[in-house]
Amino acid sequence: DAKTTQPPSMDCAEGRAANLPCNHSTISGNEYVYWYRQIHSQGPQYIIHGLKNNETNEMASLIITEDRKSSTLILPHATLRDTAVYYCIVRYQAGTALIFGKGTTLSVSS
Amino acid sequence: DAGVTQSPTHLIKTRGQQVTLRCSPKSGHDTVSWYQQALGQGPQFIFQYYEEEERQRGNFPDRFSGHQFPNYSSELNVNALLLGDSALYLCASSLEPGQLSPLHFGNGTRLTVT
Repeated sequence: DAKTTQPPSMDCAEGRAANLPCNHSTISGNEYVYWYRQIHSQGPQYIIHGLKNNETNEMASLIITEDRKSSTLILPHATLRDTAVYYCIVRYQAGTALIFGKGTTLSVSS
Repeated sequence: DAGVTQSPTHLIKTRGQQVTLRCSPKSGHDTVSWYQQALGQGPQFIFQYYEEEERQRGNFPDRFSGHQFPNYSSELNVNALLLGDSALYLCASSLEPGQLSPLHFGNGTRLTVT
C-alpha cells in the first residue's frame, strides 16, 4: 500500500502558487520523498525528490518538515499546463519500486 | 535523445488471448520497470528487470511475465487475457536499481480486452 496521504483534488488560479500537501507519517530515515505528475493520456513525469533538506529545481520546490512526516510541493506560478494528477511517493534508498497512490488532481484555471 | 518508447500505442485483444508489449528505455538507462494503470487509479507496479533478470515483482499473477534483452529493451507478456487486464501499461526506465535516479516513463500502451 502507498505510504502517503494526499487530498484528492485542489484548484489553483493561473499565475498563483500551487501548494500540494502530502502526509507520510510512517516514513523511515532512509526513505526519500518523490513527486511525479501525470498529464492526461501521458506517462508520469518526474518532478523532484528529497530526503530532509528543501529542494528546488526548474519545475518546483519541495519543502519537507523537520520531522519528515509531511511535505509540500510548490509550483511557484501555476499555468494551465500544470493541470495534472500529482503523486507523492516515498521510496527506499535502495531503489525499490515506486508505489503510487491515487494522487491529487490539480486543476489550474484562468 | 529519445526518451522511453513503447509499442504499440493501442491494442485490442479478445479474452483468452495472449499479448506482448514492447519498451525501449531512455538512452543510457539499463533498468526497466512495468506498471499497470487502470482507469482512475494510480499506476501499479508489475515487475522490474535489470541485467536481463527479474529483480522485483509486485502482486501480479504468473500470467504476467517479462523479458529484458542485452540492449536493455524489454517485453511484457500477458497470457490468458481477462477483461480486467484492460488498462494502460506503462514502461519506465532508470539507471541500475541501487541508484536514486528518477524513473522516466513512456506514454504507455492502451490495452483493451473484449
